[in-house]
Amino acid sequence: EPEVTQTPSHQVTQMGQEVILRCVPISNHLYFYWYRQILGQKVEFLVSFYNNEISEKSEIFDDQFSVERPDGSNFTLKIRSTKLEDSAMYFCASSEQGINEQYFGPGTRLTVT
Amino acid sequence: KQEVTQIPAALSVPEGENLVLNCSFTDSAIYNLQWFRQDPGKGLTSLLLIQSSQREQTSGRLNASLDKSSGRSTLYIAASQPGDSATYLCAAAQGAAGNKLTFGGGTRVLVKP
Repeated sequence: EPEVTQTPSHQVTQMGQEVILRCVPISNHLYFYWYRQILGQKVEFLVSFYNNEISEKSEIFDDQFSVERPDGSNFTLKIRSTKLEDSAMYFCASSEQGINEQYFGPGTRLTVT
Repeated sequence: KQEVTQIPAALSVPEGENLVLNCSFTDSAIYNLQWFRQDPGKGLTSLLLIQSSQREQTSGRLNASLDKSSGRSTLYIAASQPGDSATYLCAAAQGAAGNKLTFGGGTRVLVKP
């Protein structure tokens, strides 16, 4: 069964460093998303992406964040200068159409020290 | 701003008992509502999606109902098994493309053998 994959599973970085989280969405899906879950808190929407551009973003998704689909299979989230409060589990998701079921990857645990 | 609430936060039942999980949302203008399962330290597994025009959706032992006017959805799991032990999350879809999910805090379920 097709699934969303994410790499790495765990990333440790120092405050101020740039990180890139990678995702491979399900191959025939057109919509891609990033969510995050801070330990003990709710899953929060960050951004949705369609047709090579951001279709919606939350207040969390400020200038420190960017997304890209560098090729036909990968979808990345870049955090330019990480802060301690960026420590969270980051989930990538994809859906065939905008209002269809979203399928989530296993997540990347980001630890900022 | 949409707020999604799940009560109770935790639930413990003996094996075989039916599970009833509640989800409430403040803004009834949703495209759909999705139920997920999350195992500790893992990603989100989609269980059911119920469109805003539907009242009910079923998959195996799972049944989800939706009452938009009252801002409620209920997930029923029949004849619970220890393998059903997990956290169950509901998420309401809104946004310009109808795909921004707002999550509840989840109900942690323990099914005792």
